[in-house]
Amino acid sequence: QKEVEQDPGPLSVPEGAIVSLNCTYSNSAFQYFMWYRQYSRKGPELLMYTYSSGNKEDGRFTAQVDKSSKYISLFIRDSQPSDSATYLCALTTSGTYKYIFGTGTRLKVLA
Amino acid sequence: DAGVTQSPTHLIKTRGQQVTLRCSPKSGHDTVSWYQQALGQGPQFIFQYYEEEERQRGNFPDRFSGHQFPNYSSELNVNALLLGDSALYLCASSSGQHYGYTFGSGTRLTVV
Repeated sequence: QKEVEQDPGPLSVPEGAIVSLNCTYSNSAFQYFMWYRQYSRKGPELLMYTYSSGNKEDGRFTAQVDKSSKYISLFIRDSQPSDSATYLCALTTSGTYKYIFGTGTRLKVLA
Repeated sequence: DAGVTQSPTHLIKTRGQQVTLRCSPKSGHDTVSWYQQALGQGPQFIFQYYEEEERQRGNFPDRFSGHQFPNYSSELNVNALLLGDSALYLCASSSGQHYGYTFGSGTRLTVV
């Protein structure tokens, strides 16, 4: 079993839709949860950073962490064509410097 | 404010050759991590450098080595290249342990 599972997509939605992206994980020791956005031929860009459980909102983006279910989500409201990219979840714990990334979900927002 | 700078952007090497990739971290960052991203996959941790020392290493063979210089810049060296080493190599910098990385745009290495 992989430490982090993420549906590779592609996920296609119309402009203005609410997008839900998810990762599940197996290691209950993970404490830090991040979402990165990666455009084609570019490096990942940090979108959201969350410590432990709960919700965090930043503009059109909301990150949720449910540690009891080992499930994290990223919601994008009022999606735009410019949101079309691959979204990667990344997890780590205080005992390591290594981030574990999901495989990424390709998102396409159609105008 | 310059972000993370990596060079070269693209590289083609032959099997068995050696390659050196370079990274300048974001201003104010003192820690450099290297990741390998194969096509369609998430980044895989190679190692992290802090205070010119390798602080942690991922599951990569000794053919992968690195260095950090006093100005915090870093190099990744790969010896005896294999076809399977073809990937996007990402450098990420940070200051502090778990506040997220800033990634560079990567070096795309193709081994033929």
